[in-house]
Amino acid sequence: GAGVSQSPSNKVTEKGKDVELRCDPISGHTALYWYRQSLGQGLEFLIYFQGNSAPDKSGLPSDRFSAERTGGSVSTLTIQRTQQEDSAVYLCASSLDRGLISYGYTFGSGTRLTVV
Amino acid sequence: AQRVTQPEKLLSVFKGAPVELKCNYSYSGSPELFWYVQYSRQRLQLLLRHISRESIKGFTADLNKGETSFHLKKPFAQEEDSAMYYCALQGAQKLVFGQGTRLTINP
Repeated sequence: GAGVSQSPSNKVTEKGKDVELRCDPISGHTALYWYRQSLGQGLEFLIYFQGNSAPDKSGLPSDRFSAERTGGSVSTLTIQRTQQEDSAVYLCASSLDRGLISYGYTFGSGTRLTVV
Repeated sequence: AQRVTQPEKLLSVFKGAPVELKCNYSYSGSPELFWYVQYSRQRLQLLLRHISRESIKGFTADLNKGETSFHLKKPFAQEEDSAMYYCALQGAQKLVFGQGTRLTINP
């Protein structure tokens, strides 16, 4: 596609429920990133996928968070047993590859998650 | 450790006045720095990269390794510059972002 696509754009869920957030990166971009944007916290790195390499999960805040990337393209971020502190905007970004990383990332419009 | 600090959460200036958004970083390697901007109801987008030494929308940023800073500057602010600005450092595998500065340009 022309840009990074994320769905849903908004999600309201009850505390304790599981949610899945989807990211469709730019075609040909081998690197995919998930960030969380919340008030006063800036942009918090969650997880990074690069090609077929093992993902860098160092930013996942707890074991309730997981992500996968199928076929080197679409990625799904799953949050199990959601808590109110999970409420935030979840951003996905993609880039060509590490060698061209200086061109920066292209971000999606995000999924606003509200846990009630 | 890789860290980016933006000391001002909020910055308000009048139209036509100079603007400087501060960014300091901590990184043991050779830094690669960026400024990203998010306008109201738009997605986060790249504003400029230090390696290209470019001026975008009148903004410039100079990397000062001695002071470990990468401040964003514009000589004459415009109302359309009102937005959230993030400074970012390219670490080993990912971008590390500062907490952001919300810039408001008053008419």
